[in-house]
Amino acid sequence: QKEVEQNSGPLSVPEGAIASLNCTYSDRVSQSFFWYRQYSGKSPELIMSIYSNGDKEDGRFTAQLNKASQYVSLLIRDSQPSDSATYLCAVIGQGAQKLVFGQGTRLTINP
Amino acid sequence: DVKVTQSSRYLVKRTGEKVFLECVQDMDHENMFWYRQDPGLGLRLIYFSYDVKMKEKGDIPEGYSVSREKKERFSLILESASTNQTSMYLCASSTSGGTSYEQYFGPGTRLTVT
Repeated sequence: QKEVEQNSGPLSVPEGAIASLNCTYSDRVSQSFFWYRQYSGKSPELIMSIYSNGDKEDGRFTAQLNKASQYVSLLIRDSQPSDSATYLCAVIGQGAQKLVFGQGTRLTINP
Repeated sequence: DVKVTQSSRYLVKRTGEKVFLECVQDMDHENMFWYRQDPGLGLRLIYFSYDVKMKEKGDIPEGYSVSREKKERFSLILESASTNQTSMYLCASSTSGGTSYEQYFGPGTRLTVT
């Protein structure tokens, strides 16, 4: 079983709609969760961090964490074509320095 | 702003050459990482370092070595480059403690071994 799982997509969403990206993880002691955005040919860029259960909002982005279900998600409101990218979910365990990355979900926003 | 820089954006080397990839961060981060990224395989950790002169193997260390002589600099060395080491190489850094461990990536080096 992969430690961090994401649907590889592609996920296609019309412009202006809400894009919903999901991630599950297997290690129950995971403490910190991150979402990265990666444009084609570029390096990953950190867009959200979440550490406790519930929602965390930053502009058009909302991260949601449910540790009981071992589930973290990213919502993008009012999707724009510039949001088209691959989104990577990453998880870190307690006391560890290493991130475990999912394979990424490719998101396309259609004008 | 955290800044992580890598010595080259594109590099072409011949099989058997020794290759050095350099990474520098300006945020006084304790932890530094080297990844490679290949289509369909995602990000794979090669080595990481949590302090000067300290290093730990990641998931795919074979064929690579690293050096960390100064806190801000972490080098990846391909002792004898092979074609299967053609890849995008990404360096990252993070601080430790509290709720940190956010990793910040450099722009990447696309290495082609011919």
